[in-house]
Amino acid sequence: KAGVTQTPRYLIKTRGQQVTLSCSPISGHRSVSWYQQTPGQGLQFLFEYFSETQRNKGNFPGRFSGRQFSNSRSEMNVSTLELGDSALYLCASSFGGDKNIQYFGAGTRLSVL
Amino acid sequence: DQQVKQNSPSLSVQEGRISILNCDYTNSMFDYFLWYKKYPAEGPTFLISISSIKDKNEDGRFTVFLNKSAKHLSLHIVPSQPGDSAVYFCAASGNSGGSNYKLTFGKGTLLTVNP
Repeated sequence: KAGVTQTPRYLIKTRGQQVTLSCSPISGHRSVSWYQQTPGQGLQFLFEYFSETQRNKGNFPGRFSGRQFSNSRSEMNVSTLELGDSALYLCASSFGGDKNIQYFGAGTRLSVL
Repeated sequence: DQQVKQNSPSLSVQEGRISILNCDYTNSMFDYFLWYKKYPAEGPTFLISISSIKDKNEDGRFTVFLNKSAKHLSLHIVPSQPGDSAVYFCAASGNSGGSNYKLTFGKGTLLTVNP
């Protein structure tokens, strides 16, 4: 069974640009969550989608947005990139109920220059 | 504020001995706890979880203990192996109060198992 797939693995952008990251969940999983990992802040929750609906959102500015498609694949978008957005962005999938294990992809390493 | 804390940034253990990683939490709404292992340039890998209705869960060499009154959990690895060397994250989720459908992570503990 294929795991969580994130594309691209690496990305370099300049300040002010926008970026879209993609996540394909494990087959059968309907929930997709996004996290940002930085050395200073650790792993921080961005948002979670289930059946194309956002159910929870972390404390990030509106420049960070996401969506989920009917096949459960998800994208996240960051507009007007800032240097501080440089991070590892991780996607996780689960069945979506309470007390479900989240399985993570390898992440997308975003560098903003 | 940090709702999940791993106060030891690093831990070094001899191969074959026990590794004990600790985690404290402050949010009383948390009712499900997980441990993940992470190697550089990879995503976190799930290890073991425990629900708040239990105080212990065991899976092979890994055992997680939960002390709800102290809001403390620990991961025991016995025996430790060099391949266990990685960053270990404690994570928690709840069923209400904005803590549902998301994981709140500690900052991680780097475990080094020396041969």
